[in-house]
Amino acid sequence: ILNVEQSPQSLHVQEGDSTNFTCSFPSSNFYALHWYRWETAKSPEALFVMTLNGDEKKKGRISATLNTKEGYSYLYIKGSQPEDSATYLCASVGRAGTALIFGKGTTLSVSS
Amino acid sequence: EAQVTQNPRYLITVTGKKLTVTCSQNMNHEYMSWYRQDPGLGLRQIYYSMNVEVTDKGDVPEGYKVSRKEKRNFPLILESPSPNQTSLYFCASSLYRPNTGELFFGEGSRLTVL
Repeated sequence: ILNVEQSPQSLHVQEGDSTNFTCSFPSSNFYALHWYRWETAKSPEALFVMTLNGDEKKKGRISATLNTKEGYSYLYIKGSQPEDSATYLCASVGRAGTALIFGKGTTLSVSS
Repeated sequence: EAQVTQNPRYLITVTGKKLTVTCSQNMNHEYMSWYRQDPGLGLRQIYYSMNVEVTDKGDVPEGYKVSRKEKRNFPLILESPSPNQTSLYFCASSLYRPNTGELFFGEGSRLTVL
């Protein structure tokens, strides 16, 4: 079983701050890395699916990078807004592609 | 509207009383999966299905059964629920294997076993 670690566990920032989180995963048997945003009382929603080393993806103020050789991904939020408050999950997929192994998430709270 | 629908959303039951949580998707997805979410733990996979009549165990399959008789439906069956199965359950689907595309999640089913 792969171990996927996320840090920090939680984070509190002020509106307008930029922030970033880390997802670490075993680089062996890697095929894809997923990021999801999970708001309280809702279901997780996909942000990015990344497969290639050096991949960078962007959606609005949120972006992510991937380093498959060293086994980490960063998620960046530029100019945080209160509506960005959520738990951000990452998950690693092995070559068989049958299962996502999720990290425990980073919970972001943005104060106005 | 493309969606994954789970029922029931909330359920309180007693030990040993068989129950089924239904999951249906309208996106013609091949891959479907069940996860449970417990405090302090990440989402853990219970069972998954690559296509009709193809199911396999995830990381925590004990005490659960599934079936995939139709492409759109993937029910989760608890034959004899126990208190340690109290959890938040999510069904998810993707077009193909999740190494190629994102998962779409249902709204979750919160189960309490007394």
